[in-house]
Amino acid sequence: GQQLNQSPQSMFIQEGEDVSMNCTSSSIFNTWLWYKQEPGEGPVLLIALYKAGELTSNGRLTAQFGITRKDSFLNISASIPSDVGIYFCAGQDAGGTSYGKLTFGQGTILTVHP
Amino acid sequence: DAEITQSPRHKITETGRQVTLACHQTWNHNNMFWYRQDLGHGLRLIHYSYGVQDTNKGEVSDGYSVSRSNTEDLPLTLESAASSQTSVYFCASSESGSGHEQYFGPGTRLTVT
Repeated sequence: GQQLNQSPQSMFIQEGEDVSMNCTSSSIFNTWLWYKQEPGEGPVLLIALYKAGELTSNGRLTAQFGITRKDSFLNISASIPSDVGIYFCAGQDAGGTSYGKLTFGQGTILTVHP
Repeated sequence: DAEITQSPRHKITETGRQVTLACHQTWNHNNMFWYRQDLGHGLRLIHYSYGVQDTNKGEVSDGYSVSRSNTEDLPLTLESAASSQTSVYFCASSESGSGHEQYFGPGTRLTVT
């Protein structure tokens, strides 16, 4: 099946620093999604990307859909303590019997020190 | 506001018992999904449904079943709970077709003793 490699697995940063994480896939996706999960909660959608090369921002968050359709990255600028959580990438395949289903990365655990 | 809810939020059960986890969404989404989340494995798809009376197996479906009798609900049943099914379970929904975001419920933490 499809595999998503998300890196880094964890990050420990100081408040105010920028953060970058990425996902690579063994096959192409038609949609990339980025989620954030806080303790005891379900994943919350941050950004959705629909076209190769697309660059989308949501406040301090910026994500890009790679040109090859096999990768995506998420940047967080000027991190704050409430950015703490686990960030997941997810790819969606539009084709055949897989339509609508997501493949998730393993997650990046972000810790922000005040 | 439309939402997706799960119940119970926490459940402790004994090995061999049948357990049903509820998922209810008010978005009128046709697609619904069940995942389990375990350390080291991320989110793995158990079962999914594209509409009423439609159910499909995901990558870790053994020991689980679902039924879809209406648009709003997709209950997940563990036929005979096993300790390996101790996990956090998430339900999600999305609009029909692809290219639509999935929205997740708050999760159910299940412990099988």
